[in-house]
Amino acid sequence: AQSVTQLDSQVPVFEEAPVELRCNYSSSVSVYLFWYVQYPNQGLQLLLKYLSGSTLVKGINGFEAEFNKSQTSFHLRKPSVHISDTAEYFCAVSGSSNTGKLIFGQGTTLQVKP
Amino acid sequence: NAGVTQTPKFQVLKTGQSMTLQCAQDMNHNSMYWYRQDPGMGLRLIYYSASEGTTDKGEVPNGYNVSRLNKREFSLRLESAAPSQTSVYFCASRTLSGGAVTGELFFGEGSRLTVL
Repeated sequence: AQSVTQLDSQVPVFEEAPVELRCNYSSSVSVYLFWYVQYPNQGLQLLLKYLSGSTLVKGINGFEAEFNKSQTSFHLRKPSVHISDTAEYFCAVSGSSNTGKLIFGQGTTLQVKP
Repeated sequence: NAGVTQTPKFQVLKTGQSMTLQCAQDMNHNSMYWYRQDPGMGLRLIYYSASEGTTDKGEVPNGYNVSRLNKREFSLRLESAAPSQTSVYFCASRTLSGGAVTGELFFGEGSRLTVL
């Protein structure tokens, strides 16, 4: 069975500082990895995804993530955050079966302070 | 640009009452999902329908039933609501690409359910 662990429940950071949100996954099969963002009182939006190929994936709003198979990690990074990045971020894993189930981590709240 | 539409957006129930959450997508997606979101627990999969005519249990199916009415619609039913089912419920859909599910999961805006 697949699982996802987000290592930090809350990450406070000052505006224009870099940030890393950590995600580790567990799976015995090939996986697809995703990061989603949820702004207050909204649904989730896709930030980026890793399917195959280059381990460094770039997404929207200046975010990027690196797939590390040996460490089973998929950490999300941004070199300089803005107040508008304040939101909850979810890491998710999907296997290669045709069910399309996406298993989510517990979420990390990014709090950007002025 | 409707995408995934959920109704109702808010609902208050008493313990033991029943209700159905409706979900419809207009993107011609094959697969549809119901998640619940609780503080500190992320999103947990309740039920899913990989394709029209099929439904399967997810991580937390107890107390729920689903119906894939057609390709567009996927409803979630609480037969006898309990306070533990107080949560925000999200419907989502995605498509199959070449037999592999790699596409983006599109979410509705959520339905906030309170069971007293």
